[in-house]
Amino acid sequence: EVQLVESGGGLVQPGGSLRLSCAASGFTFSDHYMDWVRQAPGKGLEWVGRIRNKVNSYTTEYAASVKGRFTISRDDSKNSLYLQMNSLNSEDTAVYFCANTGGSESYYNPWWGQGTLVTVSS
Amino acid sequence: DIQMTQSPSTLSASLGDSVTITCRASQSFGDWLAWYQQVPGKAPKLLIYKASSLESGVPSRFSGSGSGTEFTLAITSLQPDDFATYYCQQYRVYPITFGQGTRLEIK
Repeated sequence: EVQLVESGGGLVQPGGSLRLSCAASGFTFSDHYMDWVRQAPGKGLEWVGRIRNKVNSYTTEYAASVKGRFTISRDDSKNSLYLQMNSLNSEDTAVYFCANTGGSESYYNPWWGQGTLVTVSS
Repeated sequence: DIQMTQSPSTLSASLGDSVTITCRASQSFGDWLAWYQQVPGKAPKLLIYKASSLESGVPSRFSGSGSGTEFTLAITSLQPDDFATYYCQQYRVYPITFGQGTRLEIK
């Protein structure tokens, strides 16, 4: 059974930093690209970014709203995905989901974690 | 960026009804489109991928169609668990984008 479990959310002050983690199991993590998707309270889904697999040099893609502030990384030896968030502002307040994709481009998100809430407030 | 626009934003229906949700894109991207269902407080659940392919385990009451810039999600014989919010997603072009969501509520 595929499982994705996010952690690391919490309350952070504007301008602060936070690192989210996603522990994966039930599939060959190293083969898959991985995504972060967020959802502000009462709002829709917003794709945050993607990290490719080792075959594709762990390259990344980001939404314009987070580019330069957020960094996605992974540790295949630990089956873990990370999201380093810097220079946080109130618009980053959201539930953050990790989601797996396929091992290639143009792939959807079959599995999602339950999400972790990040609140940016003073 | 490809803008995805869903209609309607809210849809009221009764148990046993059939409904259709439309997703229109600002530019063509083939059939690289997925549909997700989300219940409040839960993660999205994949229903349809490649515009019309039913994800394993999803009831056949759900179906998808379309390509290019216009897509539809159809649900027949509505069941209580179907009352949720539905999102379309294009996954062909970066940034990946979602529609704003369609809330399906019980009439």
